[in-house]
Amino acid sequence: EIVMTQSPVTLSVSPGERATLSCRASQSIASNVAWYQQKPGQPPRLLIYGASTRATGVPARFSGSGSGAEFTLTITSLRSEDFAVYYCQQYNDWPPLTFGGGTRVEI
Amino acid sequence: QVQLVQSGAEVKKPGSSVKVSCKASGGTLVNNAISWVRQAPGQGLEWMGGFVPIFGSAKYAQRFQGRLTIVADESTDTVYMELSSLTFEDTAFYYCARGQFPYPTWHESWGQGTLVTVSS
Repeated sequence: EIVMTQSPVTLSVSPGERATLSCRASQSIASNVAWYQQKPGQPPRLLIYGASTRATGVPARFSGSGSGAEFTLTITSLRSEDFAVYYCQQYNDWPPLTFGGGTRVEI
Repeated sequence: QVQLVQSGAEVKKPGSSVKVSCKASGGTLVNNAISWVRQAPGQGLEWMGGFVPIFGSAKYAQRFQGRLTIVADESTDTVYMELSSLTFEDTAFYYCARGQFPYPTWHESWGQGTLVTVSS
């Protein structure tokens, strides 16, 4: 099973600042990683797939990068609606699909 | 975009089973990989298993083998998740999620979630 490790657990930033979230896989997963945003009381929302492709309707301030075992989600110029929990997920090797433990982005 | 609609909240006793349904609105369901993902209160996301159309059957996470059943009903375009031998630790929101292909990848659409509460 591929283990996905996210860091930091909590990221405190101010509106307008940049947030950089990390995700590390326990083995190489090529570019087979997705990122999701989850707000309280809502299901997750797909942001990025293929490590760097934005899903439909996702603002350009969200970007993904990385390959192999190290991945990054960057949110430039944070807005109030971006404060949420973010998860990475690998789909290179299954079953199982696996998620990271999440990073909470807070004010 | 396809919307997924799940069945309503359930309260179950320990040792019993729960069955949750997932149906698509505005598109088809069973031609795409459908995952079931659960989230315990205040916790992260956990993939339980999924229906994989290229195999015509479900694949499960090891920890749920033997008590999780996922089936797809082509006639009604509905996917069902049944979890048996429930314990208090199974109290969680259960989500169905649809991928773009007939094999598991990323999840582009999610159901609204079904809260399953296990209580004596």
